[in-house]
Amino acid sequence: EAGVAQSPRYKIIEKRQSVAFWCNPISGHATLYWYQQILGQGPKLLIQFQNNGVVDDSQLPKDRFSAERLKGVDSTLKIQPAKLEDSAVYLCASSSSRDTNYGYTFGSGTRLTVV
Amino acid sequence: KQEVTQIPAALSVPEGENLVLNCSFTDSAIYNLQWFRQDPGKGLTSLLLIQSSQREQTSGRLNASLDKSSGRSTLYIAASQPGDSATYLCAVRDNYGQNFVFGPGTRLSVLP
Repeated sequence: EAGVAQSPRYKIIEKRQSVAFWCNPISGHATLYWYQQILGQGPKLLIQFQNNGVVDDSQLPKDRFSAERLKGVDSTLKIQPAKLEDSAVYLCASSSSRDTNYGYTFGSGTRLTVV
Repeated sequence: KQEVTQIPAALSVPEGENLVLNCSFTDSAIYNLQWFRQDPGKGLTSLLLIQSSQREQTSGRLNASLDKSSGRSTLYIAASQPGDSATYLCAVRDNYGQNFVFGPGTRLSVLP
């Protein structure tokens, strides 16, 4: 079974620039999550999709962050404009309620540095 | 709102020691709890998942226990090795939401 794919692995941008991250979940996983992990902290949920609908985006800074999941498969997360405090690792995960364990599978993450 | 804490924040042990990592959560109405490992600069790798009806799960040298009523889980690592050096995170999925809430992690260093 292929894992969760994310790209790019690393990105360095200047503040006020825009950036986009891509995620391809495990085939058949209806639920997709984007997490932000600041150095030294645990991951924090940004947004959760069920198929192509948003379930929870309460912690997404909507003035600068946006996300979409077209056709209920791939997802993109965008930041525009970026701030210094957005420097973090952005993790994508997927899960399926049909999996009896109903656990998470994470991608390798995208490390963003804003300078 | 579910809150997850982990103690200690960092731990350094000599190779071969058995060790215990602790995870506490505030709301006992959980669906399951998952332990992850994270190597520097990498994503999260699932280690063990315990359903709310289970008391423990084992995989090789790892054993995770769950005491839902007291809001605690422990991850026991037997005969630690330098390759076990990483950050260990626990995450709780509660009965109300569909996402996991993570603890801040315990950074483990196993010295040769």
